[in-house]
Amino acid sequence: QLQLQESGPGLVKPSETLSLTCSVSGGSITISRYLWGWIRQPPGKGLQWIGSISHSGSTYYNPSLKSRITISVDKSKIQFSLNLSSVTAADTAVYFCVRSYGDYGGVWFDPWGQGTLVTVSA
Amino acid sequence: QSALTQPPSASGSPGQSVTISCTGTSSDVGGYNYVSWYQHHPGKAPKLMIYEVSKRPSGVPDRFSGSKSGNTASLTVSGLQAEDEADYYCSSYAGNNNLKIFGGGTKLTVL
Repeated sequence: QLQLQESGPGLVKPSETLSLTCSVSGGSITISRYLWGWIRQPPGKGLQWIGSISHSGSTYYNPSLKSRITISVDKSKIQFSLNLSSVTAADTAVYFCVRSYGDYGGVWFDPWGQGTLVTVSA
Repeated sequence: QSALTQPPSASGSPGQSVTISCTGTSSDVGGYNYVSWYQHHPGKAPKLMIYEVSKRPSGVPDRFSGSKSGNTASLTVSGLQAEDEADYYCSSYAGNNNLKIFGGGTKLTVL
């Protein structure tokens, strides 16, 4: 059974870059029908789709975050990563990594990681 | 793009049915059959319950069903059980550069 696990710093300073990694176990990261992505949930708020990447490296980003996001895949390590630059307190959230399916950069998400809280603070 | 609208809370007694709505626009829910629903027990990984409006992934009980009418999608949980108590989120494809949006979530309480 495929499992996803997020890892990375829990505290990031304002204006710096948030970097998270999602480790994939129990399955392949190279199957063409899947995409790999990130979703976040600020405290007390709803979910926000951040973006996704296909096995071939095509990326799909939320237009509101596009200028600050990079999602990449490391097939040799069976993991994918999120970099979010120039962070502010508004980027404080629980970040989930997900596998996604379907057209348009993936339209449903299964499974999800448990999530990791990243706080942006000096 | 605005978030989808869900009621903040819903409740029902064991064995009863409850329906959670998810209202969007013709640019998202009403325009595509790409509505999905997720169950989230806090502290755990969210779980896909319904995809493409009404399809159920393997392993999800048939007590969970999805539907759509116009710009509103719905998740119905029949035969409520204690373990169904969780937060539920809807999601839809919203066009506009491959954007996916979510609802604000509904806290389902089993009385």
